[in-house]
Amino acid sequence: GESVGLHLPTLSVQEGDNSIINCAYSNSASDYFIWYKQESGKGPQFIIDIRSNMDKRQGQRVTVLLNKTVKHLSLQIAATQPGDSAVYFCAEKNFGNEKLTFGTGTRLTIIP
Amino acid sequence: EAGVTQFPSHSVIEKGQTVTLRCDPISGHDNLYWYRRVMGKEIKFLLHFVKESKQDESGMPNNRFLAERTGGTYSTLKVQPAELEDSGVYFCASSRDNEQFFGPGTRLTVL
Repeated sequence: GESVGLHLPTLSVQEGDNSIINCAYSNSASDYFIWYKQESGKGPQFIIDIRSNMDKRQGQRVTVLLNKTVKHLSLQIAATQPGDSAVYFCAEKNFGNEKLTFGTGTRLTIIP
Repeated sequence: EAGVTQFPSHSVIEKGQTVTLRCDPISGHDNLYWYRRVMGKEIKFLLHFVKESKQDESGMPNNRFLAERTGGTYSTLKVQPAELEDSGVYFCASSRDNEQFFGPGTRLTVL
């Protein structure tokens, strides 16, 4: 896939366990944050987003936590499944500026 | 609803040649974006169209890259002449509002 040569942090989790993927962002002016999932041969796929006026948001099996004090974002995936194996990216943007700034990504591997 | 499509999926060219990548956004999406990931780096923004106008091209690396969106529908990204460091995956995304939908990318290899 397109991540060949890209040395990503990796996380291996047993199927059924919970996983937490972390991301540090640099721009304190960012007010919108998104987690994307990228499977091999595909483009980034939206998972969940959160605005800067929130510190937690839940979706189906996923939770995003935002700590603006330390500029940290995390993605929690509950009861992981083999289909969760992918590269996960956090991204941020500022109000009024549509471009996304991506983090380096984390490769999540679910062990059956 | 069809997603964002990109063509070609792969392109292998020699240094100095020209390549044109195409992106068809989701119908009705006025916003179109180009991003790329070069080897060993994160996904980086290149530029943003609103309809046919370039809203932000701050990420374009140099004047060897030319993006167009005539008529405000599909977009092309031309690299001329291609250099070795241009190798990577080029993603297109489109949006109606906040959420950007990404295409599968074009893997460009410059030899």
